[in-house]
Amino acid sequence: GAVVSQHPSRVICKSGTSVKIECRSLDFQATTMFWYRQFPKQSLMLMATSNEGSKATYEQGVEKDKFLINHASLTLSTLTVTSAHPEDSSFYICSATTHTEAFFGQGTRLTVV
Amino acid sequence: GENVEQHPSTLSVQEGDSAVIKCTYSDSASNYFPWYKQELGKGPQLIIDIRSNVGEKKDQRIAVTLNKTAKHFSLHITETQPEDSAVYFCAASSNNDMRFGAGTRLTVKP
Repeated sequence: GAVVSQHPSRVICKSGTSVKIECRSLDFQATTMFWYRQFPKQSLMLMATSNEGSKATYEQGVEKDKFLINHASLTLSTLTVTSAHPEDSSFYICSATTHTEAFFGQGTRLTVV
Repeated sequence: GENVEQHPSTLSVQEGDSAVIKCTYSDSASNYFPWYKQELGKGPQLIIDIRSNVGEKKDQRIAVTLNKTAKHFSLHITETQPEDSAVYFCAASSNNDMRFGAGTRLTVKP
């Protein structure tokens, strides 16, 4: 199947700093990329949907100025958590889709100290 | 929008037994129903999927059934093994909008 690469897998940062997470589709061009957040023992919560070359669409309750999404090409999307706080600590997962199928990255465990 | 419900939230079976996880969805326009397996600390991995023009699909020990009239679909795992232990998510998708169930934590006891 298709491969989606997400980096880093783990990151620890200090409060107030920013962290960038990359999501790449390695062997296909993704029409759309999604960013999810997952709290312990819970399901995937959609944060935003991004299409190449256009602004991301954020789900209700997700701060777009805090979670900056850049979708520069059909194979790369980045999520930047700005001015991170401990409550932003979570597991973040991206997915890249063709027209009908979604493939997930390995996830990024963010810990803000 | 789409709403996906998944049951049970936890499931414990003995090795060799079968496991069944059920999901319902609300949007009749949904036409793609994937199932994902998520191991601890990793992203979800697609294990099987089914499209709305098919009622059943099987891949070795895993099968999925879809009832479009009732808007429900199920994952069946036969001859379960300890390595099947994980969290399983169902999802329903229409027009590139995918919504997930809450997940089922499956434990297979040796």
